[in-house]
Amino acid sequence: NAGVMQNPRHLVRRRGQEARLRCSPMKGHSHVYWYRQLPEEGLKFMVYLQKENIIDESGMPKERFSAEFPKEGPSILRIQQVVRGDSAAYFCASSLSTDQPQHFGDGTRLSIL
Amino acid sequence: GQQLNQSPQSMFIQEGEDVSMNCTSSSIFNTWLWYKQEPGEGPVLLIALYKAGELTSNGRLTAQFGITRKDSFLNISASIPSDVGIYFCAGLTLFTGGNEKLTFGTGTRLTIIP
Repeated sequence: NAGVMQNPRHLVRRRGQEARLRCSPMKGHSHVYWYRQLPEEGLKFMVYLQKENIIDESGMPKERFSAEFPKEGPSILRIQQVVRGDSAAYFCASSLSTDQPQHFGDGTRLSIL
Repeated sequence: GQQLNQSPQSMFIQEGEDVSMNCTSSSIFNTWLWYKQEPGEGPVLLIALYKAGELTSNGRLTAQFGITRKDSFLNISASIPSDVGIYFCAGLTLFTGGNEKLTFGTGTRLTIIP
């Protein structure tokens, strides 16, 4: 009964380093979404991907952030040259199709020293 | 952009009481979803609403999709300690071409007083 799997659960980086967050969707799900959550706030949409394609990246910062969902393997959210303001919980969700509910992983908590 | 206003922000209730929270939007959504999030975990889907006016139950939870498609409420009856957490409403918009995104409310933090 594997749900959405995210790793690592916690990630600590120094300013200027790169952070790679991984997400394996639920079995059979080809739609993946990344969200960011700051403490005491709701989740904010970042990017929506289907296999090998970015469908909507309107919530993603233009610089330093990128996402991919290759044909084989997990989806990756990559943050280059991290800054303190990147500290947050990053959640991945997947769905069977565009009109089906999204199911979330337990997130990666990114801390920048 | 779209915004979801969720109220109340927090609730302190006694075990056994009923709970009611709601969400309003300035925009129309095709689907309303209610999630619960506990510390250190991701949101867990509670109820999905697909049609305007739809009333759906899931155990002690009942949710309705407003007729105008701009609001929804969630009720929890006879609260128990494990109901503690943050409840989020979320609206789903389908754009032409199948693009979609979830817009989340600001959350209602539920605390149960012993």
